[in-house]
Amino acid sequence: DTEVTQTPKHLVMGMTNKKSLKCEQHMGHRAMYWYKQKAKKPPELMFVYSYEKLSINESVPSRFSPECPNSSLLNLHLHALQPEDSALYLCASRPGTGGTLSGDEKLFFGSGTQLSVL
Amino acid sequence: RKEVEQDPGPFNVPEGATVAFNCTYSNSASQSFFWYRQDCRKEPKLLMSVYSSGNEDGRFTAQLNRASQYISLLIRDSKLSDSATYLCAVNKLGQFYFGTGTSLTVIP
Repeated sequence: DTEVTQTPKHLVMGMTNKKSLKCEQHMGHRAMYWYKQKAKKPPELMFVYSYEKLSINESVPSRFSPECPNSSLLNLHLHALQPEDSALYLCASRPGTGGTLSGDEKLFFGSGTQLSVL
Repeated sequence: RKEVEQDPGPFNVPEGATVAFNCTYSNSASQSFFWYRQDCRKEPKLLMSVYSSGNEDGRFTAQLNRASQYISLLIRDSKLSDSATYLCAVNKLGQFYFGTGTSLTVIP
């Protein structure tokens, strides 16, 4: 089972709204990621959680706020977004957290949330 | 400088053709390498890992050249269903960086 589940699949929000994106995996993976992908562009790394602690923040604006309530869940709280934040938001997970070469280095993606900010 | 550079294509090839994609990466400390396939408006799906010894999965062959810092993907006997965007990915200390993706269209 290599399933990462994201909800909602689609979200439309105004610039004054507050919303949250949710991600869940039950594979026992210890690293979870948020990526942002604009059309015809590669996924851009936003945040990495390792063992439920934020380990990487790629200089993401504070209107995006990640949260990892437990080892299976990852949220992305959205507030005061701009229209240019419209994109596909992808959650991903990986079994291990180390940087060493091993068979557990594969990254698995959820199906994403297509976000439109009006 | 980008972590990963990839020719965006597009590649338009007839069914049955052989097509090759390449990526270069900038950081020699990069540790593991992958090819992903992404269909329109879908998430990237892992296609295969890439090793220095080369690895093959059916019609797909991936190769890593650490000395030149590039990775390649060869698709033989292209099928219509191979039409997608192919992204290379590089893992450096748990941070996965992606190339821009190469668009492939296989034509009947």
